Amino acid sequence: DAKTTQPTSMDCAEGRAANLPCNHSTISGNEYVYWYRQIHSQGPQYIIHGLKNNETNEMASLIITEDRKSSTLILPHATLRDTAVYYCIPYFENEKLTFGTGTRLTIIP
Amino acid sequence: GAVVSQHPSWVICKSGTSVKIECRSLDFQATTMFWYRQFPKQSLMLMATSNEGSKATYEQGVEKDKFLINHASLTLSTLTVTSAHPEDSSFYICSAYRLAGGGSSTDTQYFGPGTRLTVL
Repeated sequence: DAKTTQPTSMDCAEGRAANLPCNHSTISGNEYVYWYRQIHSQGPQYIIHGLKNNETNEMASLIITEDRKSSTLILPHATLRDTAVYYCIPYFENEKLTFGTGTRLTIIP
Repeated sequence: GAVVSQHPSWVICKSGTSVKIECRSLDFQATTMFWYRQFPKQSLMLMATSNEGSKATYEQGVEKDKFLINHASLTLSTLTVTSAHPEDSSFYICSAYRLAGGGSSTDTQYFGPGTRLTVL
């Protein structure tokens, strides 16, 4: 399984874009980059995933570097409800999802 | 789409009793479901993989006779904590594996809201 490195914690002002980085330098060629978040006392919520190309959905954008060794999750207009722990997880079908320690994002009013 | 439910959302039981937790995929079929456990201020730890119609696969260190898993249908998996003790108190979370299709480019796991178990 590829290992990931994420900042332990980050703050972001409400209404601003939150940019969460993740290093996954040992990711294998067939592994996607998945992002989940966990709001306090809830189950993880799927956000977005990508392989090589940048991706965007109604929740976030995902920017993956050309060498695929790192990625950035972007929440374009952060709200207080985005306060959560964000997990970046390299993953391929039928593998186990391995959760690291993630980034604790706090949105400041 | 891709909704997973768990029941109950919380349960308090006496030491020595058994507790059953249900995990349902509401709008898709899941041949594979997963059970995780999360202790306070820690990350999720995979306990077992539940496959429809076959025996579950347990992670190292997880007692299969204590944590009974049944995946009887494509939308339901159950976790039974037998003879629960205070050290089993934790947040139990299931996920269901949704195959690619329906707008998704690849297979994705979707999680339930979790069940908080407190054993007195």
